[in-house]
Amino acid sequence: AQSVTQPDIHITVSEGASLELRCNYSYGATPYLFWYVQSPGQGLQLLLKYFSGDTLVQGIKGFEAEFKRSQSSFNLRKPSVHWSDAAEYFCASPLNRDDKIIFGKGTRLHILP
Amino acid sequence: DAMVIQNPRYQVTQFGKPVTLSCSQTLNHNVMYWYQQKSSQAPKLLFHYYDKDFNNEADTPDNFQSRRPNTSFCFLDIRSPGLGDAAMYLCATSREGAATDTQYFGPGTRLTVL
Repeated sequence: AQSVTQPDIHITVSEGASLELRCNYSYGATPYLFWYVQSPGQGLQLLLKYFSGDTLVQGIKGFEAEFKRSQSSFNLRKPSVHWSDAAEYFCASPLNRDDKIIFGKGTRLHILP
Repeated sequence: DAMVIQNPRYQVTQFGKPVTLSCSQTLNHNVMYWYQQKSSQAPKLLFHYYDKDFNNEADTPDNFQSRRPNTSFCFLDIRSPGLGDAAMYLCATSREGAATDTQYFGPGTRLTVL
């Protein structure tokens, strides 16, 4: 079945450290892929998206993600995290080119001072 | 500046008492979505409107209804809320379908059922 998987439920990193959040997809063709962030008690905000072309995508707030077809992955990275990055991160994809997208289960990022 | 507005931000209702959640948008987007998000879970799509065309997810309970009287507004009606309906309800919009367009989310309405 087509799916989006985020293997890590929680990730803890120290402020200033680098970050990588994992996302894997299961889909035959090249999927469209998104990363959203949700701060506590808030709605979701798009960080970046991949449709085609350059496999390294730059987003807002200093985030980037790399599409790797060979690994069916679209991992989110940031070279140096800030305390304000503590939030829930969702990988998502429409998979079926439908009007709707499917979210992964999310990864909660905790930042140590 | 707010683009997707949800009212109220917090709603408390009693078991079985109908409740309506409101969403409005200033983006003039064609598509409006309602998601249910329970604690520590991903948002779950309930239904969406493409213009006036209503699209219900197969597993959305009949207890949940929606109305879109015009482009700007969309309402979520819960006819007889149960304890299991306590959740954050997120409204989102996109210009075209979510497959290619960015979805813009409102801040959500947190529903408590007593």
